[in-house]
Amino acid sequence: GDSVTQMEGPVTLSEEAFLTINCTYTATGYPSLFWYVQYPGEGLQLLLKATKADDKGSNKGFEATYRKETTSFHLEKGSVQVSDSAVYFCALSGVQGGSEKLVFGKGMKLTVNP
Amino acid sequence: ETGVTQTPRHLVMGMTNKKSLKCEQHLGHNAMYWYKQSAKKPLELMFVYNFKEQTENNSVPSRFSPECPNSSHLFLHLHTLQPEDSALYLCASSQDVAGGRNEQFFGPGTRLTVL
Repeated sequence: GDSVTQMEGPVTLSEEAFLTINCTYTATGYPSLFWYVQYPGEGLQLLLKATKADDKGSNKGFEATYRKETTSFHLEKGSVQVSDSAVYFCALSGVQGGSEKLVFGKGMKLTVNP
Repeated sequence: ETGVTQTPRHLVMGMTNKKSLKCEQHLGHNAMYWYKQSAKKPLELMFVYNFKEQTENNSVPSRFSPECPNSSHLFLHLHTLQPEDSALYLCASSQDVAGGRNEQFFGPGTRLTVL
């Protein structure tokens, strides 16, 4: 079935540092790709998405580009803030167990220190 | 209330207890989901309901019993659980199933501890 592999961390950065979280995927067909974020004590919320190759999703200073040739969807932010401390999940809409669903990576915990 | 709400937020139960988790979505969506989130494991999809009908059961043990009386409410009935069932249980909804292409909106979760 389809799958997502992402950096697991945990990662600790200083405020204003550059962030990259790697995500690669294996899928049949042409999945949509997502980044979800989970702040402490909350559920997951969609951060950004891309539905086709070369699309760039962006939100709150975060960006990710759908790269079909490298099957990747890496998340980047130029200058992180303390408020970005959270767990980040890469996901795709794909086939697993014979049916289409959202397939998540294991998540990566980011801590940003002042 | 807005979005997706879940109650209770925390639950501690013994292995012989029976309890229920409740999820309500105020978004007018037609699909609802239960996920299990355990430490150091990917998010596990448990059940999917579309227009109140169960469309997916990912080999979940029968000690977890879902119920979807209407498109806005989803329950997870728990009985004779095991300590390894301790986890964060997340509810989500989306406009429809649509193969996961629609954005899913998540509730804050119920933190379950089984003693």
